[in-house]
Amino acid sequence: DTEVTQTPKHLVMGMTNKKSLKCEQHMGHRAMYWYKQKAKKPPELMFVYSYEKLSINESVPSRFSPECPNSSLLNLHLHALQPEDSALYLCASSQRLEAPPEGEQYFGPGTRLTVT
Amino acid sequence: GENVEQHPSTLSVQEGDSAVIKCTYSDSASNYFPWYKQELGKRPQLIIDIRSNVGEKKDQRIAVTLNKTAKHFSLHITETQPEDSAVYFCAASIFRQNFVFGPGTRLSVLP
Repeated sequence: DTEVTQTPKHLVMGMTNKKSLKCEQHMGHRAMYWYKQKAKKPPELMFVYSYEKLSINESVPSRFSPECPNSSLLNLHLHALQPEDSALYLCASSQRLEAPPEGEQYFGPGTRLTVT
Repeated sequence: GENVEQHPSTLSVQEGDSAVIKCTYSDSASNYFPWYKQELGKRPQLIIDIRSNVGEKKDQRIAVTLNKTAKHFSLHITETQPEDSAVYFCAASIFRQNFVFGPGTRLSVLP
């Protein structure tokens, strides 16, 4: 199974709502990532988890709260978002972070988020 | 931090011709350089990657070259086909910790 799954596929939420994005992989990967991608732009790294611990936070606003409950799951909790947060949110996983880099980074299909 | 530039931003080629996309990076510590293909509405998919201890890598019609001294790497696609049309992103990372993507190249292969 070389697949990363994400739910939901689409999400529309108001600025006062609280919602969560979910990501799952069963490849035994120990590194998981959240990216944000705006239209016609490259993915921007938000968070990296390594062995279920937050390894990198790219100065993401606190209205985005990641969680890694176990080695297969990655959540992104959303609260009080702004319309400019509307984007495609991509999850990815890879075998591990330690050198040397091995194996590719697999992306999920993404959640298209619209904040109204 | 790392900065990745990519050129050209758009590229149109005739079917059967070759396409070349170039990227430059700023951090000499970067040691892993993947290339991703993203079709409209789909996820990025890795098409080829290269590590800093290798100068060139080839996989059928796709090849990547790396010049560590000049800090640039290039994607070469030969015998292009309409299904090669997509947005291509290069990226650079240090031990996969901080992937930085280039701005992307929209490739159109004209039949």
